[in-house]
Amino acid sequence: DAGITQSPRHKVTETGTPVTLRCHQTENHRYMYWYRQDPGHGLRLIHYSYGVKDTDKGEVSDGYSVSRSKTEDFLLTLESATSSQTSVYFCAISADRGAGNTIYFGEGSWLTVV
Amino acid sequence: AQSVTQLGSHVSVSEGALVLLRCNYSSSVPPYLFWYVQYPNQGLQLLLKYTSAATLVKGINGFEAEFKKSETSFHLTKPSAHMSDAAEYFCAVSESGYSTLTFGKGTMLLVSP
Repeated sequence: DAGITQSPRHKVTETGTPVTLRCHQTENHRYMYWYRQDPGHGLRLIHYSYGVKDTDKGEVSDGYSVSRSKTEDFLLTLESATSSQTSVYFCAISADRGAGNTIYFGEGSWLTVV
Repeated sequence: AQSVTQLGSHVSVSEGALVLLRCNYSSSVPPYLFWYVQYPNQGLQLLLKYTSAATLVKGINGFEAEFKKSETSFHLTKPSAHMSDAAEYFCAVSESGYSTLTFGKGTMLLVSP
């Protein structure tokens, strides 16, 4: 298993509150990603990082921000949680880009916004 | 822009039958293609990937996929289904020079005794 730890694994929060999900890796991989998974939509990219303090937006970035102050940690923040952000969030990592470089996934964080 | 279409949100087979999960892609450049499997309440695990070395790619658990450029397809097959194959399967594409994956919506494989 790729050394990826997501925390918390399960969380219930109220609408309007900020939420931070943490992804920690022990592989020293350059690239880190946050995806969300919803029924009928597959996985969609929220944000990704290609180095410390280097991040970019994905397909569904509205309402989310990220930070990466260390190679091993990538934080996803929901600035003001809404019910539409109830989802399963997956962190992923890869060593490099191009040439079909493999992306490895964490176990997921289940977030419910009530 | 790259995209992936998986035909059939659910596929049902009997144990021992052929498994065929369909994936078609759209890409403006030669793609890299992946199949991932997700068991209930778990993350995604790589089954196999195509990176232009060979058109027939063999993966874990007896699965294989064939890249057909003329059909823009990368269908996943397994000769004989096992109960443990029941899971959701995702096809994904990335393009050379890019670091992100674009996923299809997934196909749930149901295996009956």
